[in-house]
Amino acid sequence: NAGVTQTPKFRILKIGQSMTLQCTQDMNHNYMYWYRQDPGMGLKLIYYSVGAGITDKGEVPNGYNVSRSTTEDFPLRLELAAPSQTSVYFCASSYSWDRGHSGNTIYFGEGSWLTVV
Amino acid sequence: DQQVKQNSPSLSVQEGRISILNCDYTNSMFDYFLWYKKYPAEGPTFLISISSIKDKNEDGRFTVFLNKSAKHLSLHIVPSQPGDSAVYFCAASPSYNTDKLIFGTGTRLQVFP
Repeated sequence: NAGVTQTPKFRILKIGQSMTLQCTQDMNHNYMYWYRQDPGMGLKLIYYSVGAGITDKGEVPNGYNVSRSTTEDFPLRLELAAPSQTSVYFCASSYSWDRGHSGNTIYFGEGSWLTVV
Repeated sequence: DQQVKQNSPSLSVQEGRISILNCDYTNSMFDYFLWYKKYPAEGPTFLISISSIKDKNEDGRFTVFLNKSAKHLSLHIVPSQPGDSAVYFCAASPSYNTDKLIFGTGTRLQVFP
């Protein structure tokens, strides 16, 4: 029962490099999300998608790009890495946000630790 | 502008006692609230939620209370167990955009024997 799987778990990037954080879910969820968590802070939404082919910006989208070509996959792209992007990144997914059901909520991956030096 | 605030970064409680974690919010459009629990090196996991039409929701040892007039919610854990030691995040969803959760900064709970 894999749930939400993120790779890589750890990565060190040099300033200006690019990379893609991979995320896949096997729960047939239509909603997918990317969050980042900085030390001592809560999770901030970077981008989200309500279905294949549809993406939208969250609170902190600058410096990132996403795509959603399939229901299962939602990769996050960093084009020109900057030290401010040093953070822990969480991918998540959910069914359509049915607020009437307390058990229907967002499921998170284990996180990807990214350091930009 | 932190719309969801958890003013206590940490809390230490003896095993068997009650743990009370607090959360305040500023946006009156928030009407659905959730608590997540996070262990080190793992993603957050859903714990319990409450809609603004209720003032209390209970699930086993966990109870969430909502005071809309004060824009305050709290999570009670009774009795506290060492396995409850984790970081707890409060999150809120605005009625005008159900696709986004706004998270608080988290409270680290330590339950000692």
